[in-house]
Amino acid sequence: KQEVTQIPAALSVPEGENLVLNCSFTDSAIYNLQWFRQDPGKGLTSLLLIQSSQREQTSGRLNASLDKSSGRSTLYIAASQPGDSATYLCAVRQRGATNKLIFGTGTLLAVQP
Amino acid sequence: SAVISQKPSRDICQRGTSLTIQCQVDSQVTMMFWYRQQPGQSLTLIATANQGSEATYESGFVIDKFPISRPNLTFSTLTVSNMSPEDSSIYLCSVDGLVTEAFFGQGTRLTVV
Repeated sequence: KQEVTQIPAALSVPEGENLVLNCSFTDSAIYNLQWFRQDPGKGLTSLLLIQSSQREQTSGRLNASLDKSSGRSTLYIAASQPGDSATYLCAVRQRGATNKLIFGTGTLLAVQP
Repeated sequence: SAVISQKPSRDICQRGTSLTIQCQVDSQVTMMFWYRQQPGQSLTLIATANQGSEATYESGFVIDKFPISRPNLTFSTLTVSNMSPEDSSIYLCSVDGLVTEAFFGQGTRLTVV
C-alpha cells in the first residue's frame, strides 16, 4: 500500500530564504507526482507536475525534483516571500486500473516578513 | 487546465440534516473525484463518479452516507447525509486534465453543529 510522507510537518523561515520541502513515497510504481499549494480553508492549486520519466520541473521560483528509485521528491522555493505562506501537499498517482492520487501529510510553511 | 466551480463555498448545518455540494467543470471529463479533508488532515478520496454509471466508493465510504450524482460530463453532486459533527470537513471536487494533471475546485467548508 502506497504511503506518502512529507517532512517537515511545519516550517517557519524569514523572508528571502531559500527552502526545501521533502516528500517520500513507499511504492515507486507511480505515473507522476504533483505538488499543490493550499491556503487555509481553500481548495488546492497545482504548482508542478513531474511525470515518472522526468527528473525535475521548474516554474518561476519553484523547482521540483523526482528520484523515483529512492522514492523521493523535493520542492525548492527560492527567495521566499510572505505570500508563499500556505500548506504544501505532494501527491503521487499510482499506476493501476484507477490511477489514484495518494496525498502526503503536508508541510505548513510560514514565511515571516 | 480545467476550471472547476464548487458550490457552496461554505455552510454551517444542523446535525441530522443533509447538504448537497455541486461541482461544475468548464470542459467534458470522463471521471470526477470527490475528496474529504478532515481538520488538520490530508485529502482522502471518497469516490469516483463516472457519467452514466454508479459511483465507485473507497473503503470506509458508503453510498447511503455520500450519494453522488453524475448526470452529464460536466457536472456532479455529492450529498452528505444525516450529518454529525464528525462530518465537519472540507469537501473537494477534482478532475484530471491532459497528462493526468489533477485540478481541484475551491472546496466546500462544512461545519456541522
